[in-house]
Amino acid sequence: EDQVTQSPEALRLQEGESSSLNCSYTVSGLRGLFWYRQDPGKGPEFLFTLYSAGEEKEKERLKATLTKKESFLHITAPKPEDSATYLCAVRTHGSSNTGKLIFGQGTTLQVKP
Amino acid sequence: NAGVTQTPKFRVLKTGQSMTLLCAQDMNHEYMYWYRQDPGMGLRLIHYSVGEGTTAKGEVPDGYNVSRLKKQNFLLGLESAAPSQTSVYFCASSYRTTGGWTEAFFGQGTRLTVV
Repeated sequence: EDQVTQSPEALRLQEGESSSLNCSYTVSGLRGLFWYRQDPGKGPEFLFTLYSAGEEKEKERLKATLTKKESFLHITAPKPEDSATYLCAVRTHGSSNTGKLIFGQGTTLQVKP
Repeated sequence: NAGVTQTPKFRVLKTGQSMTLLCAQDMNHEYMYWYRQDPGMGLRLIHYSVGEGTTAKGEVPDGYNVSRLKKQNFLLGLESAAPSQTSVYFCASSYRTTGGWTEAFFGQGTRLTVV
């Protein structure tokens, strides 16, 4: 069964304190790993797509990396405005004709000034 | 530049009542999805559609029905609401090109409470 697990569930950081969020996956053929940001009361907002092991993408203070078993979202020198829930999702070979995504439970990040 | 729009944003239902959630997208996407989000459970797929006139069951379809009569609209219906259907509902859309799939674009959500 395809599965996505995110850790930790919650993370509190001081402003400027770098850290990483983890997304582990067990799937039958990865066709894309997605990172989304979700603010309270809003819908998920797309951040990155990664397709193959070794791939990296960056956007401001965020950097996403991918291995054959997991992805990391590295947050460098975070600011309070980075506080949000970060969602990881995968698209698998089994959903190649439908585009369905399988989501992890999310990591809620709080950055204190 | 609306993207994916969900109506309504909030709703309170009594057990046994029915309602329809509307999702509209203006990006001409073929594929549309309904998810529900519950604390600690992540987003779970209820139903999806791969094109106008087609629908299929997702991971948690029981108690819901859907229709895709027009390409831009995807409706989610609750025939007899139950407290277990209290959740936040998200609609999403995506499309596929010769190069592969795009990311999914999400609406702002509908918060439904069933009392």
